[in-house]
Amino acid sequence: DSGVTQTPKHLITATGQRVTLRCSPRSGDLSVYWYQQSLDQGLQFLIQYYNGEERAKGNILERFSAQQFPDLHSELNLSSLELGDSALYFCASSLGLPTSGGSYNEQFFGPGTRLTVL
Amino acid sequence: AQKVTQAQTEISVVEKEDVTLDCVYETRDTTYYLFWYKQPPSGELVFLIRRNSFDEQNEISGRYSWNFQKSTSSFNFTITASQVVDSAVYFCALSEAWTIAGGTSYGKLTFGQGTILTVHP
Repeated sequence: DSGVTQTPKHLITATGQRVTLRCSPRSGDLSVYWYQQSLDQGLQFLIQYYNGEERAKGNILERFSAQQFPDLHSELNLSSLELGDSALYFCASSLGLPTSGGSYNEQFFGPGTRLTVL
Repeated sequence: AQKVTQAQTEISVVEKEDVTLDCVYETRDTTYYLFWYKQPPSGELVFLIRRNSFDEQNEISGRYSWNFQKSTSSFNFTITASQVVDSAVYFCALSEAWTIAGGTSYGKLTFGQGTILTVHP
């Protein structure tokens, strides 16, 4: 158990709908990352938040948005869902302090939310 | 742009065989980190190893070993005496530095396409 929790575990919805995926980072971690794992695109980075602020963006669609709340949990909102959005969505967290030199803050992955769009 | 290539899509072996999973990466950075993750059938991502670009020492952990060669931009993973429980998808990943307010940060992982390893009894 990584200490990162994600809810729900499974989500089935229809095209055009909107869903919210939730992530609670490990205690003390300030950084949250979202990744998408799909058959077409593989595992890809979506977005990172650090202490409530967006820090890095990957191939995240405009229909998707995320935020990190003061209690450090994060939500990923997916709207106008399409069939191709069906995927496993992972959240990861790390201590997240900026590093340089040889220091590194490990990412710990949650169990994922499996989204099925019908 | 960074890129990770795992040329082997699927590998099938019989228990007790040794197996090597290949990983080749591309980066322009001189400082970066490489990783291997395991994704068993249950779906979670399990961290196996991290290696920074300045440390080319090979590493052994039980039946697992890793060979990092900067000259060929490769970070290969060998499982010795494979077991059925090793059956999983294995991902190689790369993290480059990017600058954020307050310093340099590493964290955005670029994953390879994964290698499906099946170990038969």
